[in-house]
Amino acid sequence: GENVEQHPSTLSVQEGDSAVIKCTYSDSASNYFPWYKQELGKRPQLIIDIRSNVGEKKDQRIAVTLNKTAKHFSLHITETQPEDSAVYFCAAFSSNTGKLIFGQGTTLQVKP
Amino acid sequence: NAGVTQTPKFQVLKTGQSMTLQCAQDMNHNSMYWYRQDPGMGLRLIYYSASEGTTDKGEVPNGYNVSRLNKREFSLRLESAAPSQTSVYFCASGVEGDTEAFFGQGTRLTVV
Repeated sequence: GENVEQHPSTLSVQEGDSAVIKCTYSDSASNYFPWYKQELGKRPQLIIDIRSNVGEKKDQRIAVTLNKTAKHFSLHITETQPEDSAVYFCAAFSSNTGKLIFGQGTTLQVKP
Repeated sequence: NAGVTQTPKFQVLKTGQSMTLQCAQDMNHNSMYWYRQDPGMGLRLIYYSASEGTTDKGEVPNGYNVSRLNKREFSLRLESAAPSQTSVYFCASGVEGDTEAFFGQGTRLTVV
């Protein structure tokens, strides 16, 4: 069935450094790849998304890249700040099944 | 606009009891989802509804049933609660499956 694998599960960086989170998906019919940020005790909220006809998308300090051939996509956060500390989830939507499947999550800690 | 509203926010059940988690959205969205969140497991899809009148199984449907009562409401029912169903449950909705999903505030369910 559909599967999304996310790595690493935890990531600790110094303030100002970059952070990279990687995901792979199994369903070749996946065509939409959102990233969500969840702060402690809160609901997940969308931070950036990318569609299958685009290879890269950037929004200020965050960027997402997509390699359809390899079925993987990545989130890049530059110049990290303590307020970036949260759990980040990748997800993939399959146009075949209609399912939005999430990865296992990455806990990012940014040390001041 | 309230967005996505879930009730209740907290619930404690005894093993074998039944209950229904309610979810309503006021954004005229077609797609609605139910996820459970457990430590280290990410957000796992229980059931989803791509449009009013349709429901489909997700990754972990066993022990649950759903009803898409109308376009606004999507309820999740536990017929005979088990301790393994202790989790945080999130409802989400989106215009379509390949657009931003908006999450409710979550329901923390404990089965003892």
